[in-house]
Amino acid sequence: DAGVIQSPRHEVTEMGQEVTLRCKPISGHNSLFWYRQTMMRGLELLIYFNNNVPIDDSGMPEDRFSAKMPNASFSTLKIQPSEPRDSAVYFCASSRETGGTEAFFGQGTRLTVV
Amino acid sequence: SQQGEEDPQALSIQEGENATMNCSYKTSINNLQWYRQNSGRGLVHLILIRSNEREKHSGRLRVTLDTSKKSSSLLITASRAADTASYFCATDANDYKLSFGAGTTVTVRA
Repeated sequence: DAGVIQSPRHEVTEMGQEVTLRCKPISGHNSLFWYRQTMMRGLELLIYFNNNVPIDDSGMPEDRFSAKMPNASFSTLKIQPSEPRDSAVYFCASSRETGGTEAFFGQGTRLTVV
Repeated sequence: SQQGEEDPQALSIQEGENATMNCSYKTSINNLQWYRQNSGRGLVHLILIRSNEREKHSGRLRVTLDTSKKSSSLLITASRAADTASYFCATDANDYKLSFGAGTTVTVRA
């Protein structure tokens, strides 16, 4: 298996633009997580899906952020409109079960909003 | 909010030496996991220790867990330059959320 695949690896956009980050989890994994990593706040869980259903989005910072998982092999995280403070590395991770097992992380998308 | 806190924040050692880092957490947990992150890369799972376990080994890694003190330690023996990375503990508190600490940055000098 190729692991969790994220695209793009790097994204530079202007403030106010829409940004869409993409994730393909490992086949057979039924849990998917979106994390954000910054120097100031470390790793923050944004949203969690189980069997394609959003279970907890309490970590989503604002209404500007939205996430979807239309099927078991694809998820998107959208920021509209983007702001400079959204600059961070965004990670997608998947796991086989809900809790109690390891999470497999993608390589991340480094987002810079100028 | 971060459940786990690693100590020290940074560690510099000579190749061949052992590296020890600690993690403290606040609430009851189902298990505790350690991850490694190389610069510019995603996190890689190293080892998982369940709340009813006290010690676990994996290759050159040794993890201990003391639930009474709400703390864990990660020991890397005979360190190598390739061990240079950031190490994170993550707690699973009987739900789906993995809460990560701020990490310990380890530098192994050749």
